[in-house]
Amino acid sequence: GAGVSQSPSNKVTEKGKDVELRCDPISGHTALYWYRQRLGQGLEFLIYFQGNSAPDKSGLPSDRFSAERTGESVSTLTIQRTQQEDSAVYLCASSFGRNSNQPQHFGDGTRLSIL
Amino acid sequence: DAKTTQPNSMESNEEEPVHLPCNHSTISGTDYIHWYRQLPSQGPEYVIHGLTSNVNNRMASLAIAEDRKSSTLILHRATLRDAAVYYCILVGGGADGLTFGKGTHLIIQP
Repeated sequence: GAGVSQSPSNKVTEKGKDVELRCDPISGHTALYWYRQRLGQGLEFLIYFQGNSAPDKSGLPSDRFSAERTGESVSTLTIQRTQQEDSAVYLCASSFGRNSNQPQHFGDGTRLSIL
Repeated sequence: DAKTTQPNSMESNEEEPVHLPCNHSTISGTDYIHWYRQLPSQGPEYVIHGLTSNVNNRMASLAIAEDRKSSTLILHRATLRDAAVYYCILVGGGADGLTFGKGTHLIIQP
């Protein structure tokens, strides 16, 4: 079946521009996560959505970062006024709910490069 | 989440079994043991998870020590496609985002 889909796969933009990244989760998955992975580093949790509940934004690094999700479908991660430190791979994952017995399924990420 | 300890790297030959160890001496009773792997330029891929009993699936087997302070991921017959970084993660109740450590870089020799 279809996995988690992310677009664009690569994005190059100038410092100060806004970018929007998209994630299509696996159908039926109520939980959706965004992560950031800097070159050679581990995953950094950003934000989590579960159904129609208020999102867990505890991992967002600054107020330049925001994310939305409509119901249990597509999510977008927006970074305003991008900085060079925002360069990283942004990964999305989805799962059947927020449960330690549920694995997360990842997309291949959006590689963001800020010039 | 409790901490896990894995070797930085391991090397194996193609078509041979691979045993990837993970120590998690501070694991709590409700923590699940999850394994993911990440191939170059790809997102992490779920491999297997378990709580107390050993687990098998089409990708691998997970052997969990009786005291749950360690576990071993077993790839029964390694292929070149199995070359990746393997992450052992403890996932507690009401899990937030996953926390990946440095993992084990598995090298497969043809």
